[in-house]
Amino acid sequence: QSVLTQPPSVSAAPGQKVTISCSGSSSNIGNNYVSWYQQLPGTAPKLLIYDNNKRPSGIPDRFSGSKSGTSATLGITGLQTGDEADYYCGTWDSSLSAFWVFGGGTKLTVL
Amino acid sequence: QVTLRESGPALVKPTQTLTLTCTFSGFSLSTSGMCVSWIRQPPGKALEWLALIDWDDDKYYSTSLKTRLTISKDTSKNQVVLTMTNMDPVDTATYYCARIQAVGYFDYWGQGTLVTVSS
Repeated sequence: QSVLTQPPSVSAAPGQKVTISCSGSSSNIGNNYVSWYQQLPGTAPKLLIYDNNKRPSGIPDRFSGSKSGTSATLGITGLQTGDEADYYCGTWDSSLSAFWVFGGGTKLTVL
Repeated sequence: QVTLRESGPALVKPTQTLTLTCTFSGFSLSTSGMCVSWIRQPPGKALEWLALIDWDDDKYYSTSLKTRLTISKDTSKNQVVLTMTNMDPVDTATYYCARIQAVGYFDYWGQGTLVTVSS
């Protein structure tokens, strides 16, 4: 059971838009920056979004992030088949249970 | 160019101690704000954060695994070592090391190493 809650799966057609939610609490998302990671099949995770809504160099602006209260959202527009991957949110946690926490991951299927 | 690479045994027996090494380049763990962390991922499951060591040799552990984990660094060799005692089949996973700066996100990851726990 992950500390951060994500939907197990989302799907959309090529060219469409999708959002992935990440729900936490005041001990994690509510008081810390959120980052998002993309894990293509058989590969290591890659940083996609940091500090809630910033994109590292090389990440297209089709990917966006936002945060409100104790929830964060990853948005992907203009879906491509190459976007099929698992997506994870993560952040610091100031509770006694963990130091850094990840969401359970969301499998994106581009139909 | 920042790179990280994990190394260690592919197979360990139950109750044995696992030792993994993360060898990195492109940055120094003696630089203020630099940290290296270990994260694992059981087959088909989610990422799980394990441990972190920072430039000042402060160490942080997952509460649920704290009694079994030890993280250390050798700055001169650009290496971070993770040991996990009393391995169990449920510890079968791909183990990743990743760089994290104090601001708080994993910006570079190793390719991961699969560790199977089986007799």
